[in-house]
Order: sequence, then structure tokens, then C-alpha cells
Amino acid sequence: SQTIHQWPATLVQPVGSPLSLECTVEGTSNPNLYWYRQAAGRGLQLLFYSVGIGQISSEVPQNLSASRPQDRQFILSSKKLLLSDSGFYLCAWSVQAGGTEAFFGQGTRLTVV
Amino acid sequence: KQEVTQIPAALSVPEGENLVLNCSFTDSAIYNLQWFRQDPGKGLTSLLLIQSSQREQTSGRLNASLDKSSGRSTLYIAASQPGDSATYLCGGGAGGTSYGKLTFGQGTILTVHP
Repeated sequence: SQTIHQWPATLVQPVGSPLSLECTVEGTSNPNLYWYRQAAGRGLQLLFYSVGIGQISSEVPQNLSASRPQDRQFILSSKKLLLSDSGFYLCAWSVQAGGTEAFFGQGTRLTVV
Repeated sequence: KQEVTQIPAALSVPEGENLVLNCSFTDSAIYNLQWFRQDPGKGLTSLLLIQSSQREQTSGRLNASLDKSSGRSTLYIAASQPGDSATYLCGGGAGGTSYGKLTFGQGTILTVHP
């Protein structure tokens, strides 16, 4: 069966510090991968998606970047965090060919102080 | 651009009631609609997926319908239980290579009290 892992579960970082959140998927090959952010009062917003290694599409302009160094690994990064980067970050995956269901990880709660 | 709205924002019911959660979307070209459950501080758990060629899906006490022409989906929960208390989110998906790119509503916070 397929599983998705995100870490860390919680993170408190000072303004201006770097960020790296990691997501890995097991039990499937060549998935579509997604980063969403859930901010208070704003709902879930798609940040990035990837259809393959090294292929990243950004949905909204922001202070964050994403990378996909391996087929089942997706990383969310920032060089310098802003207060507005605080939120709940969720990684998701879906099958590329034929399937349409999305599956989410347990999320990372990021607080920028 | 797809916009998704969920009504009501919050719902409190006694145990045993049947209830309906509503989700409306602006773009009828929606490819699929997925209902999720989110417990506090946790990720999203997929409940039901309705693909564009389908009208409804059922899983246990849950039934979800999709009416693309009216831009609406409903999630019906039968015989609600305290364990059903959570936030329920609907997400509308586009087709093509965009599987998994979902536009979400703000959610309905459901409380089922004993």
C-alpha cells in the first residue's frame, strides 16, 4: 500500500532563517506531488506541484521554492522566512495516469517568530 | 478560475441525526470532486471521490453526490456519531495532467454531541 511521510511535524523558526520541509511517498512510482498551505482563515491553497524529477510548477508567487531531487521526494524550502510564511503545510500525491484521487500527508505546523 | 464554497461554515447536531454538507463550485468543467475529513492538527483523510462521469459515491454511512450542471456537491452523513466530529473539506479537481490539483472550500466544522 502507498504511504506518504512528512517531517518535521512541528517547527518554530525565527524570521530570516532558512526552511526545509521534506515529503516522501512509498509504494508507488512516478506520482504527481503537491505542496499545499493551510493558513488561518484562508483555507487550503496549492503552492507547488510536480509531475516528475526536476519539474516544478508554482501556483502562487511567494517566498518559497520547491524541488524534487528523486522520484518520490518533494522538498519545500525558503532562504529567509517571513512571518507570513507561518501555516500548516501539507504534501499530497496522486497517480499520474488514470487515477484522480489525491492523498495527503499529516502536515507540518510552521510558526515563524 | 475555480472557486469553491462550503455551507454551512459550522454545524452542531445531536448524535443520531442525518445531516447534509454542501459544496458549490463556479466552473462546471470540474473534472472530479473529492471530500475529505480533517481532525484538529492533522492532515486530510480522503472520504469519497466522485469522478466527472459519476453522479454519486457511497462509503458506509457517507454518500456524496455531484451535479455539475448546477455546480453543487453534497455530502450526506447518516446516523451521525460523536466520532464524526471534524472539519469536512471538499476539493474540486481539474483534468488533464492536473490530477490532484484541487481547489478547496473553507470547510464545514461539524460537531456531533452525545
